[in-house]
Amino acid sequence: QKEVEQDPGPLSVPEGAIVSLNCTYSNSAFQYFMWYRQYSRKGPELLMYTYSSGNKEDGRFTAQVDKSSKYISLFIRDSQPSDSATYLCAMIDSGAGSYQLTFGKGTKLSVIP
Amino acid sequence: DAMVIQNPRYQVTQFGKPVTLSCSQTLNHNVMYWYQQKSSQAPKLLFHYYDKDFNNEADTPDNFQSRRPNTSFCFLDIRSPGLGDAAMYLCATSGMRGGAVPETQYFGPGTRLLVL
Repeated sequence: QKEVEQDPGPLSVPEGAIVSLNCTYSNSAFQYFMWYRQYSRKGPELLMYTYSSGNKEDGRFTAQVDKSSKYISLFIRDSQPSDSATYLCAMIDSGAGSYQLTFGKGTKLSVIP
Repeated sequence: DAMVIQNPRYQVTQFGKPVTLSCSQTLNHNVMYWYQQKSSQAPKLLFHYYDKDFNNEADTPDNFQSRRPNTSFCFLDIRSPGLGDAAMYLCATSGMRGGAVPETQYFGPGTRLLVL
């Protein structure tokens, strides 16, 4: 079983829809959770960074962490064509001392005008 | 404004011909990372530097080497590229390791390597 599971999609939604992207993980030592957005042929760009269970909101984006279920989500409200990208979840096991990221494989999202 | 810069953006090399990819950063971060990302896959960490301290991932092939001559620059050397080394190579940086809260990683735009 991979440490981080993420449905690769592709996910296609109409403009204005609410998008839900999810990752599950098996390592309970993961303490820090990130969502990166990666446009085609570009490097990943940090969107959200959370630590505790619960919700964190930034504009149209909401990150949700449920440590008891080992499940994290990213919600995008009022989705726009410019949101079309691959979304990568990433996690850090700070107890390992190296602060290295463990990524999911990414979900490819297309927002159709 | 660019914080993590990678050159070149696209690199074509021949099978077995050594190639060097470069990364520079204006963030003055202690830690620099090199990742390999193949199509539809997650980035895979190759190695990282904490200052001058080099840390190699156990499954990184010997074909891949790295140099960090100073804080700002880091190089990835592929000694004898094979067809399987064609990928996007991402450089990332983060602030001092060991703080109470891990610093996030900032990625460059990547160098896409094609091996003929």
